[in-house]
Amino acid sequence: NAGVTQTPKFRVLKTGQSMTLLCAQDMNHEYMYWYRQDPGMGLRLIHYSVGEGTTAKGEVPDGYNVSRLKKQNFLLGLESAAPSQTSVYFCASRQGLVGQFFGPGTRLTVL
Amino acid sequence: AQRVTQPEKLLSVFKGAPVELKCNYSYSGSPELFWYVQYSRQRLQLLLRHISRESIKGFTADLNKGETSFHLKKPFAQEEDSAMYYCALSGYNQGGKLIFGQGTELSVKP
Repeated sequence: NAGVTQTPKFRVLKTGQSMTLLCAQDMNHEYMYWYRQDPGMGLRLIHYSVGEGTTAKGEVPDGYNVSRLKKQNFLLGLESAAPSQTSVYFCASRQGLVGQFFGPGTRLTVL
Repeated sequence: AQRVTQPEKLLSVFKGAPVELKCNYSYSGSPELFWYVQYSRQRLQLLLRHISRESIKGFTADLNKGETSFHLKKPFAQEEDSAMYYCALSGYNQGGKLIFGQGTELSVKP
């Protein structure tokens, strides 16, 4: 039981490049989330999903897109990376009232 | 507006001293409140939920609806408690999404 996993762990991009971050969970959770963590700002919600095939915008969605084609996977895409998107990205999943389970994070640097 | 405020960026105490990490929230209704802990460069882990009223690793937190606070307390800090602590709020029927405070770094000195 791996819980929530994220791929890749680290990535360096040049401005304008694109990439996809993959989040996978093996707990059969309905809800999944993408957050970014920046110093002094805590975690901010980018997008989330309440079930397979559904997505919704969070607090800071601009510049990102997501897809939830399979229940266990939640993909976060950056179409044209900008230096302001340098951050640590965390994925999380949730079922019921037990709170969210987080992945290990992806450190992204955009030069 | 929904908001979580952790007024202290850094809290430094000596081993064995009491600890209180402050959390205030703004929400019109009955939210779920959580404390998460993040050890150095690791993933966030759920520490406490207000609905369970439990004690984890010696930490407790009481929801005070009158003061809209959910402070985290521990009577005797240990060095292994040094970490980043986040208070978070989840609103009713909002897809379970969390609103986080800015976080408080707890440093426990020997």
